[in-house]
Order: sequence, then C-alpha cells, then structure tokens
Amino acid sequence: DAGITQSPRHKVTETGTPVTLRCHQTENHRYMYWYRQDPGHGLRLIHYSYGVKDTDKGEVSDGYSVSRSKTEDFLLTLESATSSQTSVYFCAISRDPQEPQHFGDGTRLSIL
Amino acid sequence: TQLLEQSPQFLSIQEGENLTVYCNSSSVFSSLQWYRQEPGEGPVLLVTVVTGGEVKKLKRLTFQFGDARKDSSLHITAAQTGDTGLYLCAGADIGGGSQGNLIFGKGTKLSVKP
Repeated sequence: DAGITQSPRHKVTETGTPVTLRCHQTENHRYMYWYRQDPGHGLRLIHYSYGVKDTDKGEVSDGYSVSRSKTEDFLLTLESATSSQTSVYFCAISRDPQEPQHFGDGTRLSIL
Repeated sequence: TQLLEQSPQFLSIQEGENLTVYCNSSSVFSSLQWYRQEPGEGPVLLVTVVTGGEVKKLKRLTFQFGDARKDSSLHITAAQTGDTGLYLCAGADIGGGSQGNLIFGKGTKLSVKP
C-alpha cells in the first residue's frame, strides 16, 4: 500500500471553529489532492498541489484553503467550519495528474 | 463540464450471480481507471485501461474500454460476498479538461448477499 497517512481519522467540532486536516505521504509523489465524499455526489476535488507551495482550486474550493510547505505534507484548513462541510475527506497522491491516484483512509469530520 | 456517468447507482444481487457496471461519457479519455472502496477506507485501484477496445481480467472481474475510449464496463462473474463495495471509475480527459485531473464517476454501490 502507498504510504499515505491522514490525521485525524475522526473529528467532531462546532460551527465557526477552525479545523486543519493533515495528509502525509512517504512516496515522494509530486501531486497531492484533497477530496470530499458525500452521498449522491461522489468524490469532489477541493484543492490540489503540483509541488511545494504550488496549489490550485478544484471543483468545490469555497470555504477551504490548503498549504504545502514540504513534499510530504498537504494540509487542508477550514477557516470557519460550517455544517455543510460535514463530510468524509480523502487525500490522494499521484506522480502525474492523469495517472492512478493512491488514497488515504479518510477523515470523517462532523460539524455540529 | 465533463461527466462520467455510472450505472446502475445501486445493485443488490445474490452470491453466484453475474453483473455488469457501466461507465459512460461524451469525453474521450486517454485512460480509464476502476477503483473499489470498502466502508471506512479509501478507494483502491483495481485496473487501468489505456487502449480502445482493451480487455483486462482480474480473476473474476473483466474490464473493457470502449473502442472510442468514451466508455468502459466492469463485469463480475459469479459474484462473492467479498465483492461488496463501492466501485468507482475515473477518466483522464485527453483534452486536458478538469485542469488535467482525473474525473470520477459517482460510483456503483454493490451488495452481494449470501
């Protein structure tokens, strides 16, 4: 299995609080992605990174920011969490954007 | 907006039955991937198909890429309870759409009952 670790695996927090999710990889892949997965919507791309300090928006980026200060770490931040951001968040990595992606085991985030 | 339509959305069958899941689009893909996702885990790559008309087999699973590289199918022979899960297809748009990133279908949720 690709070395991808997401933390935390579960989090419950309140509306309006900041939340940061971490993705750590040991594969030295250039591309990293954050998705959210919701019933009826499938996997939706939030943000992605194509190198250290190089990031871009995905399909559903509003309310989220990301940072990548090292090749191995990609952080997803919800500056002020809302109930609509309750979801399961997945990190993925790949060598190239059109190559298969390897996924972490997800973070289940509940915002009350 | 590029779309990958998967059908059916849900499928519940008895052990031993055969089934086919479809993945269709109006876009041409340079490659198409199939993933399986089990509850509480991330998607895991099953196969990548690249050439139009290509057929790949993985034990009881047969994957086919359409001649025009716009569609794909996954056929499972004699399904087992261990095949239960969410099956996702993902395409790499040859036109570079979606910022060059993979486009995922919404998935087919398969339940195989003993």
